[in-house]
Amino acid sequence: GESVGLHLPTLSVQEGDNSIINCAYSNSASDYFIWYKQESGKGPQFIIDIRSNMDKRQGQRVTVLLNKTVKHLSLQIAATQPGDSAVYFCAPGGGATNKLIFGTGTLLAVQP
Amino acid sequence: NAGVMQNPRHLVRRRGQEARLRCSPMKGHSHVYWYRQLPEEGLKFMVYLQKENIIDESGMPKERFSAEFPKEGPSILRIQQVVRGDSAAYFCASHSSGTNQPQHFGDGTRLSIL
Repeated sequence: GESVGLHLPTLSVQEGDNSIINCAYSNSASDYFIWYKQESGKGPQFIIDIRSNMDKRQGQRVTVLLNKTVKHLSLQIAATQPGDSAVYFCAPGGGATNKLIFGTGTLLAVQP
Repeated sequence: NAGVMQNPRHLVRRRGQEARLRCSPMKGHSHVYWYRQLPEEGLKFMVYLQKENIIDESGMPKERFSAEFPKEGPSILRIQQVVRGDSAAYFCASHSSGTNQPQHFGDGTRLSIL
């Protein structure tokens, strides 16, 4: 079955630095991927998505890279701010039901 | 533009009681999903519904759990005869029609079983 894993369960960065959060997925049929941010006591918040026909997509301060060959995604956050501190999940979706598969997540801790 | 609304935010039940969790999707969204999250884990898919139809319930426990999304009103996740292991955060998400639409989540219901 599908599994999603993250290479770094905890990432600590200095305020102002760039952050890179990595994610591996197992189902080569996945054609849609979403990154979410979850703060304590809240639901996952949509950050950015990417479809399998793309290998890069940029948003405000965030960039997602998709490498389908090795089934890997990364989320890059530029000029990380204290408000970026949260758990980040990548979630492959798509398919007939678009149900999302979440990994354990990566905790991003931004040091002032 | 209201997001996904879930209530109650916190629910306490004793073992053997019933729990009802409600979810109102974003305006215009007819696709609803329920997920469960245990502490320090990712969300696990439970069920996917459209108006009056259950599309995929492959993540639902076989007993005691049920879900509905009636023509009028919110989606309901119902847990009968709750047990300690049902303690978790339950999240609802919705998206608009079309392929590969992002799911937007509510802030969840935290269920505690005494």
